[in-house]
Amino acid sequence: GAVVSQHPSWVICKSGTSVKIECRSLDFQATTMFWYRQFPKQSLMLMATSNEGSKATYEQGVEKDKFLINHASLTLSTLTVTSAHPEDSSFYICSARVGGQGSEAFFGQGTRLTVV
Amino acid sequence: GESVGLHLPTLSVQEGDNSIINCAYSNSASDYFIWYKQESGKGPQFIIDIRSNMDKRQGQRVTVLLNKTVKHLSLQIAATQPGDSAVYFCAEAHEIEDKIIFGKGTRLHILP
Repeated sequence: GAVVSQHPSWVICKSGTSVKIECRSLDFQATTMFWYRQFPKQSLMLMATSNEGSKATYEQGVEKDKFLINHASLTLSTLTVTSAHPEDSSFYICSARVGGQGSEAFFGQGTRLTVV
Repeated sequence: GESVGLHLPTLSVQEGDNSIINCAYSNSASDYFIWYKQESGKGPQFIIDIRSNMDKRQGQRVTVLLNKTVKHLSLQIAATQPGDSAVYFCAEAHEIEDKIIFGKGTRLHILP
């Protein structure tokens, strides 16, 4: 199947700093990528839909100025957590569709963010 | 048996038995449904999907059933193995909205 890779797999940062997480589709082009956040023992919560060449669409309650998304190419989307705080500590997961709407989505391995 | 934990319900099944994991979805307009398996510290892994024009789909050792009348989805795993231990999520999508929304998840625990 198609491969979606995230980097880094885990990161520890100090409170107040910014952290960038990369999501790459390795063997296919993805016009749309999705960013999720998952707290321990909970489900994945969709944060935003990242569209190549245009602004991301954020879900209700997600601060767009805090979670900056850039989808500059068909194989790369980045999520930057700005001015991170301990409550931002979570598991961040991206996914990308191989084809258009309704096609199978593949998920990255996730990035564990810990803010201290 | 099935129990409800603090956040994720847990289903305990004897190795070799069949597992049935249930899910209620929320949006009657959803037309695409997926089951994912998530192991600890990893991203979700696709298991099987089904479109709203079907009520049953079979894969290798897995079967998904869809009941649109009551907005219910189930995943059946035949001859459960230790490697099936994971958290299972149902997810729904709508072709127009083009985003996948996850359900609450169920932890499957295999008893030796």
